[in-house]
Amino acid sequence: AQTVTQSQPEMSVQEAETVTLSCTYDTSENNYYLFWYKQPPSRQMILVIRQEAYKQQNATENRFSVNFQKAAKSFSLKISDSQLGDTAMYFCALVGGANSKLTFGKGITLSVRP
Amino acid sequence: DAMVIQNPRYQVTQFGKPVTLSCSQTLNHNVMYWYQQKSSQAPKLLFHYYDKDFNNEADTPDNFQSRRPNTSFCFLDIRSPGLGDAAMYLCATSRDPTSGSHEQYFGPGTRLTVT
Repeated sequence: AQTVTQSQPEMSVQEAETVTLSCTYDTSENNYYLFWYKQPPSRQMILVIRQEAYKQQNATENRFSVNFQKAAKSFSLKISDSQLGDTAMYFCALVGGANSKLTFGKGITLSVRP
Repeated sequence: DAMVIQNPRYQVTQFGKPVTLSCSQTLNHNVMYWYQQKSSQAPKLLFHYYDKDFNNEADTPDNFQSRRPNTSFCFLDIRSPGLGDAAMYLCATSRDPTSGSHEQYFGPGTRLTVT
């Protein structure tokens, strides 16, 4: 069985500052993929960033980067220069092995304050 | 632009009155998923299709059914909606997992209200 844990239900950050969202996971698979999805209020869920477990280098996408600690099974998302449009619910998710099904964490609500 | 489209965006139905939600995709993806999402919760997978193969989650109620007549379209049928079925229903697609790509692409969702 796979599990994804997001222990912080809510966070708040001042515009232009940096915030880190934490996520831990557990899987018995050797080959797996990790994702952060963003779901703004009343809007579509979109992929923010992905990380292949076999890659040691941390993924980055513009202001978004991850800190992937494979041994610790940790996958945190760092948002730099936070913008008002970053206000959303963020879900950490895992796909393992040949399975295509996503295991989601409970999500964290991020509010960016002006 | 290639995308996942869900219609309608908002649906109101009466208690016990069958309702069908639709999803279409222009991505030509093999796999299509239906999720139920309640407020401030993670999406809960109901079932998915891998091409024509239907895969039901063990805890999905019999009240929920699905059809995939072709690659592009997938439908969610709720045979007798209860008040507890009021939720956002998300459709998602992904490429064949053997391609090495596992990310899912989500539609905008259909918000179902049961009166």
